[in-house]
Amino acid sequence: GAVVSQHPSRVICKSGTSVKIECRSLDFQATTMFWYRQFPKQSLMLMATSNEGSKATYEQGVEKDKFLINHASLTLSTLTVTSAHPEDSSFYICSARDGGGRPGEQFFGPGTRLTVL
Amino acid sequence: SQQGEEDPQALSIQEGENATMNCSYKTSINNLQWYRQNSGRGLVHLILIRSNEREKHSGRLRVTLDTSKKSSSLLITASRAADTASYFCATVSGNTPLVFGKGTRLSVIA
Repeated sequence: GAVVSQHPSRVICKSGTSVKIECRSLDFQATTMFWYRQFPKQSLMLMATSNEGSKATYEQGVEKDKFLINHASLTLSTLTVTSAHPEDSSFYICSARDGGGRPGEQFFGPGTRLTVL
Repeated sequence: SQQGEEDPQALSIQEGENATMNCSYKTSINNLQWYRQNSGRGLVHLILIRSNEREKHSGRLRVTLDTSKKSSSLLITASRAADTASYFCATVSGNTPLVFGKGTRLSVIA
């Protein structure tokens, strides 16, 4: 149990385009989802926290208008990188908390590698 | 914000040797977790130790936690080439999301 999927696993796009990444909890209801970003040879940095049905909370330094997060259902959150630029190239990882009974635990998706040309 | 600090940043050992990685953090925690990440891949959860625990074992892994020093260590015994990866500690405080340390890159040479 506690499987989180991400789609796509890898995306290459041209500068200026927008990219949407989906994060799904497959066998539990995720009341809270988190989005992390990881640059090469660095650690995971939290970008934002999203609760189902409400606006996401962004970490300091993360542009909310550039990284649009939608958590419209208990099993799906999306991250849209708008007008992507080469510096947005990174590994994006989502994580979800099970609202149904495993408090504090986070389950991670496999990540999405974004390359902006 | 980043809380955990691992050391060393990089560690290279021979197969069969033990590998020890350390993690320090700044605030009080509910639990501390260790993850492994192979190059370019997702995270693998290794072990969770709660704030009221001092030591935990899982197979070849041994984790210690010293809340008075706000530090933890991960020991991998009898290392194998397949253990080559980056290892991260991550802490949970209250209801906050996991905060990751900078990680240790472990290379196990066959």
